[in-house]
Amino acid sequence: GQQLNQSPQSMFIQEGEDVSMNCTSSSIFNTWLWYKQDPGEGPVLLIALYKAGELTSNGRLTAQFGTTRKDSFLNISASIPSDVGIYFCAGHSFGNEKLTFGTGTRLTIIP
Amino acid sequence: NAGVTQTPKFQVLKTGQSMTLQCAQDMNHEYMSWYRQDPGMGLRLIHYSVGAGITDQGEVPNGYNVSRSTTEDFPLRLLSAAPSQTSVYFCASRAGTKGSGQYFGPGTRLTVT
Repeated sequence: GQQLNQSPQSMFIQEGEDVSMNCTSSSIFNTWLWYKQDPGEGPVLLIALYKAGELTSNGRLTAQFGTTRKDSFLNISASIPSDVGIYFCAGHSFGNEKLTFGTGTRLTIIP
Repeated sequence: NAGVTQTPKFQVLKTGQSMTLQCAQDMNHEYMSWYRQDPGMGLRLIHYSVGAGITDQGEVPNGYNVSRSTTEDFPLRLLSAAPSQTSVYFCASRAGTKGSGQYFGPGTRLTVT
């Protein structure tokens, strides 16, 4: 089946730093989604991307749908304490009802 | 709208017991699904439904049953609980448009002893 490699697995940064993470797939996706999960909660949708090359922002978050359709990137600018959590990418391909999820990037802010 | 709701929030079962995890959504979404989340493994799809009366298997369906008698509800049944089913279970729903983002419930943390 389809596999998503998400990196890095974890990040330790200081408040105010910018953050970059990415996902790569073994096959083409038609939709890329980025989620954030807080402890004890379900994942919350941050950004959805529907077109190769698309660049979409949600506040300090910016995500891009890679031109090869096999990768996606998420950037967070000027991190703040509430950015702490686990970020998941997910991909969807036409003709398939299922979403494939990456294994997550755990973001920690060092005081 | 309440969104996606799940009950119970926590559950402890003994090996061999059965139970039903409840999931409901009030957004009139056609598509609903169940995932389990284990440390280091992300979210894995158990079963999904594209509409009332229609269900299909996901990546890890063994030991679980589902039914979809209404648009709103999508319960997950554990037939005979095993320690390997200790996990956090999430229900999710989305509108019928393929590729649209899924909305997740708050999760049920299940421990099987």
